[in-house]
Amino acid sequence: GAVVSQHPSWVICKSGTSVKIECRSLDFQATTMFWYRQFPKQSLMLMATSNEGSKATYEQGVEKDKFLINHASLTLSTLTVTSAHPEDSSFYICSARETGGVYGYTFGSGTRLTVV
Amino acid sequence: AQSVTQLGSHVSVSEGALVLLRCNYSSSVPPYLFWYVQYPNQGLQLLLKYTSAATLVKGINGFEAEFKKSETSFHLTKPSAHMSDAAEYFCAVSDRGNQGGKLIFGQGTELSVKP
Repeated sequence: GAVVSQHPSWVICKSGTSVKIECRSLDFQATTMFWYRQFPKQSLMLMATSNEGSKATYEQGVEKDKFLINHASLTLSTLTVTSAHPEDSSFYICSARETGGVYGYTFGSGTRLTVV
Repeated sequence: AQSVTQLGSHVSVSEGALVLLRCNYSSSVPPYLFWYVQYPNQGLQLLLKYTSAATLVKGINGFEAEFKKSETSFHLTKPSAHMSDAAEYFCAVSDRGNQGGKLIFGQGTELSVKP
């Protein structure tokens, strides 16, 4: 079945530094990838939609200069949290939609970011 | 705009009892609907999806859901709960690509299973 690999699984960084999270579709091509943020005991909040070869579309209220998204190939999208602060600490999850698939969405295992 | 509402943030059942998790949707176009399960500190696993074929959808681990257009509902059921079913469950709706195929999630329902 479709597999999405997300790395790292967890990361601790110092305030003011940047962190990059990778999302790879291992056995299918994903024209579109989605990035979500999840706070404890809450639902997933869509941050942005990433399309291969074009600029990401950010949801209202999401700072595009804070959360940089790059989708350079059909199998890789990255989310970079720039100048991270403690309030950016969260669980980030990516999802890939298979090109030509019947609206199948496969999720990565998530990244726990802690900013200290 | 599309949305889903999950009734009940927490549901508790006894092992062997019926599981019923409620989901109502709002969509201006025929929706695609999904149920996902999430275990602590993990991503989401697809249980089942409705994409306009049969209205009764069977998924993994004995779960099923019925699409009822007249009630705008897509409730998730399982005849007999297992301890391993304890997790967070999310209902989600997609716009079939009209708005980029975004997947919008409900608030989630935490299922507890008592021995």
